[in-house]
Amino acid sequence: DQQVKQNSPSLSVQEGRISILNCDYTNSMFDYFLWYKKYPAEGPTFLISISSIKDKNEDGRFTVFLNKSAKHLSLHIVPSQPGDSAVYFCAAIEGGSNYKLTFGKGTLLTVNP
Amino acid sequence: DAGVTQSPTHLIKTRGQQVTLRCSPISGHKSVSWYQQVLGQGPQFIFQYYEKEERGRGNFPDRFSARQFPNYSSELNVNALLLGDSALYLCASRSLKGLSSYNEQFFGPGTRLTVL
Repeated sequence: DQQVKQNSPSLSVQEGRISILNCDYTNSMFDYFLWYKKYPAEGPTFLISISSIKDKNEDGRFTVFLNKSAKHLSLHIVPSQPGDSAVYFCAAIEGGSNYKLTFGKGTLLTVNP
Repeated sequence: DAGVTQSPTHLIKTRGQQVTLRCSPISGHKSVSWYQQVLGQGPQFIFQYYEKEERGRGNFPDRFSARQFPNYSSELNVNALLLGDSALYLCASRSLKGLSSYNEQFFGPGTRLTVL
């Protein structure tokens, strides 16, 4: 039973354009959401997060949007760069459990020069 | 500063054997978590240890166990290995400013376990 879903296994965009990665969740108890990036042979690296009390968080080229009513969040990367090519994982934390990350299956982003 | 380190990098075992994986957290981090990532899936939570005590456990059988040492390093043990235990095992550490805070978890590169 997937509580965090990333329905797009892969995404390909041109350098300089916007990349939009989507994530849906089913557990209403989730109140904190994170995006991790993973290169081959490395562990996941934290990218950006958002609390459920917000609907947007921005950090440089990366912006995460949260739509609680739709149980949907998205990661926008603008402009996309070839170095952004990696697997992106959406993760969520349940209120009262500040350590257990529930991950989606990931989306492979390829940014073409 | 060194990040989270894990050993060994790769491991090949046969069904029924036992395996021990090791993790050293970032200096000053007292919390260690273990995750299993099967090919094509996202990481799945196995255990969390804080101050040498188990603070959380995921939906894994009793064949999986772990412990944390006084220096905050940790070991994950898996007994009676099954083919389905083949996965990347990730360790993550974090600094707890308070048990209620969502501090970033830093992941190690993982141990690739293959069970034949």
